[in-house]
Amino acid sequence: GQSLEQPSEVTAVEGAIVQINCTYQTSGFYGLSWYQQHDGGAPTFLSYNALDGLEETGRFSSFLSRSDSYGYLLLQELQMKDSASYFCAVRVRVQAGTALIFGKGTTLSVSS
Amino acid sequence: DGGITQSPKYLFRKEGQNVTLSCEQNLNHDAMYWYRQDPGQGLRLIYYSQIVNDFQKGDIAEGYSVSREKKESFPLTVTSAQKNPTAFYLCASRIAGENTGELFFGEGSRLTVL
Repeated sequence: GQSLEQPSEVTAVEGAIVQINCTYQTSGFYGLSWYQQHDGGAPTFLSYNALDGLEETGRFSSFLSRSDSYGYLLLQELQMKDSASYFCAVRVRVQAGTALIFGKGTTLSVSS
Repeated sequence: DGGITQSPKYLFRKEGQNVTLSCEQNLNHDAMYWYRQDPGQGLRLIYYSQIVNDFQKGDIAEGYSVSREKKESFPLTVTSAQKNPTAFYLCASRIAGENTGELFFGEGSRLTVL
């Protein structure tokens, strides 16, 4: 089976930088995704890493190390609106295709 | 605009009743997925379908059933055999065959069993 580990909660102040780590154990691994979810809403896609290294998209960056089965999401210049849950998800091979398996999520609280 | 539509947004049911949640997409995506989310938890995969007339069980398929008669539609039935059905249900789709980890989600259906 697959397992993903990420911290349950992270707190930070506006303007700060925060890193959310994700470690995984899985077979048939294709890549690591990150999603943001605000209370009561649907998850929205942030990033996907299929190869080792850092991907930057505005204030958010995502990193993957396939050899370490590890990745992280880096959020810079934090804003109050970044308060949300963040999920890492592994894209894995399944019968007749691929699927995303999600971690339990990290709740980020940003204060002023 | 293209997207995924789930209905109903809120649903109440009595114990012992089956309910069907609708999921329709006009993104021309081949792959569709159903996830369940409990409060403070991650998303757990119920069923998925890569092509029409074919679907597979995910990690928590017991007590659920699906059909995929059309590319655009992937309804989920929560049966009376599901022991704890109160949850937030999310439908998603993606472009099959491409190296992307992006899922497009509907707004979700919140089911409460009374």
